[in-house]
Amino acid sequence: DVKVTQSSRYLVKRTGEKVFLECVQDMDHENMFWYRQDPGLGLRLIYFSYDVKMKEKGDIPEGYSVSREKKERFSLILESASTNQTSMYLCASSLGVTGLSYEQYFGPGTRLTVT
Amino acid sequence: SQQGEEDPQALSIQEGENATMNCSYKTSINNLQWYRQNSGRGLVHLILIRSNEREKHSGRLRVTLDTSKKSSSLLITASRAADTASYFCATDSETSYDKVIFGPGTSLSVIP
Repeated sequence: DVKVTQSSRYLVKRTGEKVFLECVQDMDHENMFWYRQDPGLGLRLIYFSYDVKMKEKGDIPEGYSVSREKKERFSLILESASTNQTSMYLCASSLGVTGLSYEQYFGPGTRLTVT
Repeated sequence: SQQGEEDPQALSIQEGENATMNCSYKTSINNLQWYRQNSGRGLVHLILIRSNEREKHSGRLRVTLDTSKKSSSLLITASRAADTASYFCATDSETSYDKVIFGPGTSLSVIP
């Protein structure tokens, strides 16, 4: 059974704080993703990583950075949290075989509130 | 960017009835996926259908794909209260096979 875990289910931070969201997968997947989900806007891709130390910007990377030092771990960093980053953050992983896309396995989500 | 869009946005049915949700997309795809999300939780993958397939089944779920109409449908038969969730279609990205684009979702309520 694929398991994707996220470090926190709920998080409350203050404006200007640096925030780290951690994601770990146990299936040796090449690809890992960070999304944010907001009512009426669906899931939007923030960053994507297809290998260790490799990353690619998604649709809304502004205000975020990522780190992937080990294959199983993908971190999302909010350099200076702002209230408009209050959202549900979802991490996912998938196999990465060139030319095909595969199902993504999601973590339970982190609901971040920035006050 | 390419995106699937589900229809209807919300659906309410009685337990035991069938539920049908549709997804339309804009450009050619290699595959289309359906996911379910229970309230406040992560998404769960349901079915992946490739562009050369027309229909796929998994338990009470039936997915069809019509590439000529650029649309897909998800049918849940004999619905249960536990099927209450949001359902999303996801199509592969024009720029990368590894990424997918999620639609805004259909919210399904199954009334006991």
